[in-house]
Amino acid sequence: KAGVTQTPRYLIKTRGQQVTLSCSPISGHRSVSWYQQTPGQGLQFLFEYFSETQRNKGNFPGRFSGRQFSNSRSEMNVSTLELGDSALYLCASSLMTGMNTEAFFGQGTRLTVV
Amino acid sequence: QQQVKQSPQSLIVQKGGISIINCAYENTAFDYFPWYQQFPGKGPALLIAIRPDVSEKKEGRFTISFNKSAKQFSLHIMDSQPGDSATYFCAATTTSGTYKYIFGTGTRLKVLA
Repeated sequence: KAGVTQTPRYLIKTRGQQVTLSCSPISGHRSVSWYQQTPGQGLQFLFEYFSETQRNKGNFPGRFSGRQFSNSRSEMNVSTLELGDSALYLCASSLMTGMNTEAFFGQGTRLTVV
Repeated sequence: QQQVKQSPQSLIVQKGGISIINCAYENTAFDYFPWYQQFPGKGPALLIAIRPDVSEKKEGRFTISFNKSAKQFSLHIMDSQPGDSATYFCAATTTSGTYKYIFGTGTRLKVLA
């Protein structure tokens, strides 16, 4: 069974640019969550999607957005990049229905903003 | 109230020893507590998880102890091995609709050969 796939693995962008990250969840999982991981702030929740609907959103500025497609694949977009957006962006896949809350993470996309 | 406090920040253990990592939470609505293991350059991997209706769960060398009244839970790694050297995160969530995990700040474990 394939795991969670995130692309690309590494990105270098310039301040002010925008970036789109992609996540393909485990087959059959309809929930996709995104987290930002930095040495200073740890793992911070960005948002969660289920069946193309955003069900929860973390405390991040509006420059961070996401969407989910009918095949459960998800993308997140960061516009007007700032140096502080440099981080490992992790996607987690889950059934996330009722008691099924186990979340499985991808390897992440390492974003560097210069 | 949403925080999960994790300690210690770093831990050095001799091979064969017991590694203990502790977490504490405030939100009594949390009802699912997983532990994740993360190696450098990799995403967090689910290690073991517990729900508050049990006080202990064991899987191989890994055990979670849960104290509902104290709102604390801990990970015990028995017979620690150099291959266990990684960063460990505790987390908490509710199964009633927040759809997000709150993570501890992580513990960097080093097991000496």
